[in-house]
Amino acid sequence: DAGVIQSPRHEVTEMGQEVTLRCKPISGHNSLFWYRQTMMRGLELLIYFNNNVPIDDSGMPEDRFSAKMPNASFSTLKIQPSEPRDSAVYFCASSSLAGSLSSYNEQFFGPGTRLTVL
Amino acid sequence: QQPVQSPQAVILREGEDAVINCSSSKALYSVHWYRQKHGEAPVFLMILLKGGEQKGHEKISASFNEKKQQSSLYLTASQLSYSGTYFCGSGRGNNRLAFGKGNQVVVIP
Repeated sequence: DAGVIQSPRHEVTEMGQEVTLRCKPISGHNSLFWYRQTMMRGLELLIYFNNNVPIDDSGMPEDRFSAKMPNASFSTLKIQPSEPRDSAVYFCASSSLAGSLSSYNEQFFGPGTRLTVL
Repeated sequence: QQPVQSPQAVILREGEDAVINCSSSKALYSVHWYRQKHGEAPVFLMILLKGGEQKGHEKISASFNEKKQQSSLYLTASQLSYSGTYFCGSGRGNNRLAFGKGNQVVVIP
């Protein structure tokens, strides 16, 4: 299996521009997570989907951030308009949905997208 | 609730042992350990679910205390490949994780 695929790997943009990050989860996985990693705040969960449905987006910092999962093999995270403080590494991860709410499966992380907003 | 990891950084020589900790003021559903090398994605190491549980991965092992408020990761006879940042994640139900800020481990020859 190719693992979780993210694109682009690097993105440099100017403040105010729209940014779209893309993720293809591992085939057969039905949970998908978007994380943001910075030195100051560490690894933060932004939003996650189960079976293509957004379950919890409480980590999305502002209305400028939005995420979609139109099908089981594709998800996007969009920032519009982007700001310099959005600069970070954005990871997508996927997992098999655990059998019950009290159980957990490992998450497989993609290589990340390093976003720089000037 | 974000777990607290300590110490922030550890430097050790190849072959030495180290312990890093992950704690919470409230009982955790579970603890997950991941390792991230510089410029790479986090990679799963192990999950602990039950109070008093211990698990091992190569020469890296972990424990979860009885009250499920602390987990420790033990690096035994460390190798250069153990260098990286270790993150613990606390399970929050429905596959969600809240990660700590990480323990940076540097193994030198």
